[in-house]
Amino acid sequence: NAGVTQTPKFRVLKTGQSMTLLCAQDMNHEYMYWYRQDPGMGLRLIHYSVGEGTTAKGEVPDGYNVSRLKKQNFLLGLESAAPSQTSVYFCASTYNGRLNEQFFGPGTRLTVL
Amino acid sequence: TQLLEQSPQFLSIQEGENLTVYCNSSSVFSSLQWYRQEPGEGPVLLVTVVTGGEVKKLKRLTFQFGDARKDSSLHITAAQTGDTGLYLCAGDTGFQKLVFGTGTRLLVSP
Repeated sequence: NAGVTQTPKFRVLKTGQSMTLLCAQDMNHEYMYWYRQDPGMGLRLIHYSVGEGTTAKGEVPDGYNVSRLKKQNFLLGLESAAPSQTSVYFCASTYNGRLNEQFFGPGTRLTVL
Repeated sequence: TQLLEQSPQFLSIQEGENLTVYCNSSSVFSSLQWYRQEPGEGPVLLVTVVTGGEVKKLKRLTFQFGDARKDSSLHITAAQTGDTGLYLCAGDTGFQKLVFGTGTRLLVSP
């Protein structure tokens, strides 16, 4: 099992460009999450999904969109990138159980110039 | 908004020393998790504590959940260089979401 994978690993964008980050999991997990990690701020939830075809906003959703067309994939889109979106992005997944124990991908480091 | 504050933010110690990291909130959580993150990688779950007052041990690491389920601590005995990393606590809000702490960066030198 590959667990949770993320592509790409690194990306540099110019202000105003768009891109999509892909997260895939092979553990048949119901729940998937997108976080951003900035120095001194821990992990902040952007959007999440509790099942195929469903998405919900997290703590910092502005400037991002998501889609969960297939259970194993969760896409994060930036329509018009801004320097404030320079960050490391992590995807996570978990099963639909009592304990929300999350499995994380290796991260995508995004720089917006 | 539920917040989790961790202290200290940064800790630099010598191999063999003991240390404690704290995770505090004014909110009650249904459970609390501790993760460790190494540079360039995603966080990895260490432990989940569920019951108020619960203590769990993982080799040299001891985790405690506060009686009121608002705070937690991580104690490392005889730290090793392999313990170096970013330690994150995360509270389960009970709504399919976790709230993460601000993190404690630990550096253990030989």
